[in-house]
Parts: sequence; structure tokens; C-alpha cells
Amino acid sequence: QVQLQESGPGLVKPSETLSLTCTVSGGSISSYYWSWIRQPPGKGLEWIGYIYYSGSTNYNPSLKSRVTISVDTSKNQFSLKLSSVTAADTAVYYCARDYYSNYGVWGKGTTVTVSS
Amino acid sequence: QSALTQPRSVSGSPGQSVTISCTGTSSDVGGYNYVSWYQQHPGKAPKLMIYDVSKRPSGVPDRFSGSKSGNTASLTISGLQAEDEADYYCCSYAGSYTRVFGGGTKLTVL
Repeated sequence: QVQLQESGPGLVKPSETLSLTCTVSGGSISSYYWSWIRQPPGKGLEWIGYIYYSGSTNYNPSLKSRVTISVDTSKNQFSLKLSSVTAADTAVYYCARDYYSNYGVWGKGTTVTVSS
Repeated sequence: QSALTQPRSVSGSPGQSVTISCTGTSSDVGGYNYVSWYQQHPGKAPKLMIYDVSKRPSGVPDRFSGSKSGNTASLTISGLQAEDEADYYCCSYAGSYTRVFGGGTKLTVL
């Protein structure tokens, strides 16, 4: 079955850019939407944005100015870039398969801490 | 885009039923039949329990059910079991190709 795995630095300095990659295994990245979702420590889930395998994207309006999601179908991967990070961006970041806003497949999550 | 409103906590005894509400607006919960519910145990990724308001994925016990009335969706868990103790989140399509989550509800099994 399809599995997702997030990867990337666990520590990012304030004002820098957070970069994460999600690798899709056990299935093709094609024909689905793929989302990034985050969860600050002790808080709830926040949808960041999604990308379709064709490259079309949509972002949470509150993060739109700082977010870029891209896809590499040849590697079965999609990626997240979040610029100008602050401590408020410290969170567990999840990638998930998005089917009409239903998330049936999730990665295990990766913790990103923003600190100097 | 504001988070959907959920009670911070609910509780029930084994065997009882509990209902968790998720209140939004006509622009999200009330406007579409794309409400889903997730169970999250500590340190784990969320797990899809209900999708499209009331559908259960394969493998989810039929003790879990979903419904919607107006701008409020609900998750009902009947025959509570100890392993149901977790955080629960709702999620809705919010128009313009966006999604919004609820703030989460902590379920305690007494």
C-alpha cells in the first residue's frame, strides 16, 4: 500500500527557509492531490497547502505569501518550502494524500524546530 | 479562514456513547459534504475515521459514525472502549480549493 515519508532538516534558523520533502512509495504520485499539514507542539492541525501531480497548487491564505509546494513526478516526491520562518513555525510537519479533503494516507511526521 | 470549533474535551465511561461536535459556517461545513474526522493518539499521525460526513473507511469499527446538520458536523462513538481515548479532529472543504481543520477534542475514557 502507499506509504509516505517526510525528510528534511530538524532545525532551522529564524528568518531562513524551511525545506521538506515527502517521498511516496508503494504507488504513483500521479492522479492524486498531496497536502502538507502541520501541528505545533500541544496544538491542533493546520492545513498548509496541496499540490496536484500536474503541478497545480493551492495554499492556506494565512501562509500563502511564504509557502511554495512543488512536485517531482520522476522521483515520486513533493516538497514544501516555507520562507522567513519564526518560532511560531515550530511544529510536526506531515505530508498526506489528499482526496477531496479526506486524508487517508499520512506520513509519520517530522519535527521542525525554529531556533538560532 | 478560521478553524472549525470543537469542544476542548469530552469524556465517557466504557460502553457509553459520546458525540463530538464540529461547528463551522455555510462556507465550509454547511456548504459541502466533505467533512472528515481523524483520531490521533499521542506521538502518532492522525488516522482517518470518517469521510464525506458519514462514510467509514475499511477497517474502522462501525462504533464510529458521522452526521451533519446545518453548519455543524458530529462524530459519535458508541460502545466506548479504552483504546478510543485520543484526540479527535474534524476537517472540512472550505471552498476555493482550501481545507480547514477543527481545533481538536480530547476524549477521555473514564
